[in-house]
Amino acid sequence: DVKVTQSSRYLVKRTGEKVFLECVQDMDHENMFWYRQDPGLGLRLIYFSYDVKMKEKGDIPEGYSVSREKKERFSLILESASTNQTSMYLCASSLLAGVPYEQYFGPGTRLTVT
Amino acid sequence: SQQGEEDPQALSIQEGENATMNCSYKTSINNLQWYRQNSGRGLVHLILIRSNEREKHSGRLRVTLDTSKKSSSLLITASRAADTASYFCATDLSDSGGSNYKLTFGKGTLLTVNP
Repeated sequence: DVKVTQSSRYLVKRTGEKVFLECVQDMDHENMFWYRQDPGLGLRLIYFSYDVKMKEKGDIPEGYSVSREKKERFSLILESASTNQTSMYLCASSLLAGVPYEQYFGPGTRLTVT
Repeated sequence: SQQGEEDPQALSIQEGENATMNCSYKTSINNLQWYRQNSGRGLVHLILIRSNEREKHSGRLRVTLDTSKKSSSLLITASRAADTASYFCATDLSDSGGSNYKLTFGKGTLLTVNP
């Protein structure tokens, strides 16, 4: 079974803090994704990566950056957390670049910024 | 930009009944996928239907795709309380400039199956 794990289920941070959300997949998938999910807005793509050290902006990249130094790990970074970044963050991976395979999701991290 | 839109937003049925959810989208797609999300958890892939397919089955799930109407439906037969979840459709665009592994998700249908 594909496993996508996220470093924390719940996280509480203060405004202005630098926040790291980590995601690891164990199936050698090339693509990895970060989404945020908010009530009434559905899932929105923040960033994705189709290879090590490669990244592309999604629909809402402002206020976020990402890092992919190893194939299995994709990190989402909030440089200076703000209250409007309080949300559920979901990481996903899929098999091959350029092929619309299904995505496998982690359990999510519910981030609260106070 | 929102590509897929599910309808209805919420659906409540009794155990044993069938549940039908619809998804409409705006532009041409390569394929359409359905996902389920249990409360507070990650999404789980249910089924993928390609643009040249009209119907697909998987266990109690039946998905149809009508590309002329730009719509899809997900039917869950003989529903169970464990089917209570949010259901999302997701599309990848056929004209996405090579980034066709990106999916665009709808806002979901919340299905409640009462025992």
